[in-house]
Amino acid sequence: QVQLQESGPGLVKPSQTLSLTCTVSGGSISSGSYYWSWIRQPAGKGLEWIGRIYTSGSTNYNPSLKSRVTISVDTSKNQFSLKLSSVTAADTAVYYCARGVYDSSGYYSDYWGQGTLVTVSS
Amino acid sequence: SSELTQDPAVSVALGQTVRITCQGDSLRSYYASWYQQKPGQAPVLVIYGKNNRPSGIPDRFSGSSSGNTASLTITGAQAEDEADYYCNSRDSSGNHLEVFGTGTKVTVL
Repeated sequence: QVQLQESGPGLVKPSQTLSLTCTVSGGSISSGSYYWSWIRQPAGKGLEWIGRIYTSGSTNYNPSLKSRVTISVDTSKNQFSLKLSSVTAADTAVYYCARGVYDSSGYYSDYWGQGTLVTVSS
Repeated sequence: SSELTQDPAVSVALGQTVRITCQGDSLRSYYASWYQQKPGQAPVLVIYGKNNRPSGIPDRFSGSSSGNTASLTITGAQAEDEADYYCNSRDSSGNHLEVFGTGTKVTVL
C-alpha cells in the first residue's frame, strides 16, 4: 500500500519561500509510470492543482503559479518537494501531495497524503 | 478561475439517486476524474476514465460524459456519501495541465 506524507514548516513569513517535502513509502517513487503532484486547498475553498513532476525530472506547472513554483524529485530518498517563492497570505492553505497516473483514462491521482497546513503570516 | 464548473450544492434523500455535473470545454476531448472529500480529510478518488472505480469504491458510484459535461451519479445514496465532490481533468489549453472543478457539496437528507 503506497503512502504519502507531507512535511515542512507550518508557518512561513510573507515574501519568503514555502518549502514542503512529500515522502513516499510502500513503493519506489521510480517504479511504474507515475507522476507526483502537489495540490492545495485554502480553508473553506476548492482544490487547486499546483503542478507535477515525473521521475525523469519533467515538470508541468499551473500557469497562475508557474513563476513562483519549483517541484523537484530525489529518487534516492523516495521524496519529491515543492518550493513556492514570494509567498503572501493568499498562499495559506492545506497542501497535499499525490501520486498520479496518466493512461488511456486520462490523468488521475490514486493516492494522496493527509495534507499539511501552511500559514503565511508575520 | 476554474475552467470546470460544478453546482455548489445538491441534496438527495437517503437511498435516492443524485447526479453531480461538471461542465467545461476540455471535457469534449478528455475524461474527468472524480474525488470525494469529507471534512478534515484528503480527497479520495472515486471515478476515473470512462467509468472506472478504484478498488474499495462502492458500485453505487458511476461516471458518464456527454459533450462538454461529465457526470458522477450516486445510485442509492448513503449517509456516508455526504461530502464535497470535485471533478478534475486536463485544461483546455491543449497542454498537459490539470484543473479541478469548483466543487459540489452533497447533502444526504
